[in-house]
Amino acid sequence: SQQGEEDPQALSIQEGENATMNCSYKTSINNLQWYRQNSGRGLVHLILIRSNEREKHSGRLRVTLDTSKKSSSLLITASRAADTASYFCAPQTSGSRLTFGEGTQLTVNP
Amino acid sequence: DTGVSQNPRHKITKRGQNVTFRCDPISEHNRLYWYRQTLGQGPEFLTYFQNEAQLEKSRLLSDRFSAERPKGSFSTLEIQRTEQGDSAMYLCASSGGTYSYNEQFFGPGTRLTVL
Repeated sequence: SQQGEEDPQALSIQEGENATMNCSYKTSINNLQWYRQNSGRGLVHLILIRSNEREKHSGRLRVTLDTSKKSSSLLITASRAADTASYFCAPQTSGSRLTFGEGTQLTVNP
Repeated sequence: DTGVSQNPRHKITKRGQNVTFRCDPISEHNRLYWYRQTLGQGPEFLTYFQNEAQLEKSRLLSDRFSAERPKGSFSTLEIQRTEQGDSAMYLCASSGGTYSYNEQFFGPGTRLTVL
């Protein structure tokens, strides 16, 4: 399955700390995407990393990809209360479906 | 362009009724996706269009579900004879822009409650 599995399921940190979430998958991929979802809302695309890339940055976000281990990580630096949300990874084989895991619920305490 | 829009945002219906949802994708996107999400779970893929062609359907999409994209622009998802188990958030996404071809952009969703 190309489903992403996020770890941990839940993470609670203090504002200003860094948050790291991990994702594992099982098949070869073209790219892996990370999304954020605030409670009751739609998903917001955060970052896409291609299979030939090892690291990518966007603002306070840093994503790494290790295709040999079939894993990815999302680091949020200097977290804010507004970062409280569920985070999902979605490995993608082709330009079609995304298969999501259950996500990591991040809580940033002010 | 303000992104993917979905209507209605909320729908409450009685079991056995038919419901139809609409999705308007980002205008330059040729791919459109439907997902379903229940509480505490990630979205589950339902179906996918490239232009007006429906290219993939999940086994989750029973005979009671039908989706169309008649002119390759907006799409509709119809559920016939709704059941309580159909209660969920129905999400639409689109992709295919010039600079972000594989990135899927999601709408706000339609929350369906079947009584």
